[in-house]
Amino acid sequence: DAGVIQSPRHEVTEMGQEVTLRCKPISGHNSLFWYRQTMMRGLELLIYFNNNVPIDDSGMPEDRFSAKMPNASFSTLKIQPSEPRDSAVYFCATQRGEQFFGPGTRLTVL
Amino acid sequence: RKEVEQDPGPFNVPEGATVAFNCTYSNSASQSFFWYRQDCRKEPKLLMSVYSSGNEDGRFTAQLNRASQYISLLIRDSKLSDSATYLCVVIRGQNFVFGPGTRLSVLP
Repeated sequence: DAGVIQSPRHEVTEMGQEVTLRCKPISGHNSLFWYRQTMMRGLELLIYFNNNVPIDDSGMPEDRFSAKMPNASFSTLKIQPSEPRDSAVYFCATQRGEQFFGPGTRLTVL
Repeated sequence: RKEVEQDPGPFNVPEGATVAFNCTYSNSASQSFFWYRQDCRKEPKLLMSVYSSGNEDGRFTAQLNRASQYISLLIRDSKLSDSATYLCVVIRGQNFVFGPGTRLSVLP
């Protein structure tokens, strides 16, 4: 199994642009989590899905952030419009007992 | 107060030293506990689960004290390759709550 796959691995964009982060979970893992990690705030849960249904999105910072999981093998996290304070590493993780993290997307908003 | 707290460090120790990290949690309903390890510019990965009776995996020992609401990680005979950030994780329902991590540097 290839593990959790995320793309892109790095993204540099300008303030105001739309950013879409992608995640392919491990097959058979029914829960998917999106996290954001910064030096100041550590690892923060943004949203998680169970069987493709969003369960808890209380960590989503504001309306500029949205996440979808149209099927069991794909999820997106979208930021529109992006701001410099969104610069962070965004991780996708799936769960079976423990949580398995993808390699992350390092986002820089200029 | 944060739900999970850790001393951020860094802990700088010589090779071969024994080092211990503590982690405190505020929610007594927390059910399960893990230690994750995160290398620089990499994703977190499971290091070990923490059981009520305490558990050992090679040079690593994890312990849980429910009464005082803290967990600990002990690393014996530390190696250069142990240099990383160690994240305490508390599970409440299906929520994994990560601590801010403790950075360890093992020096030659």
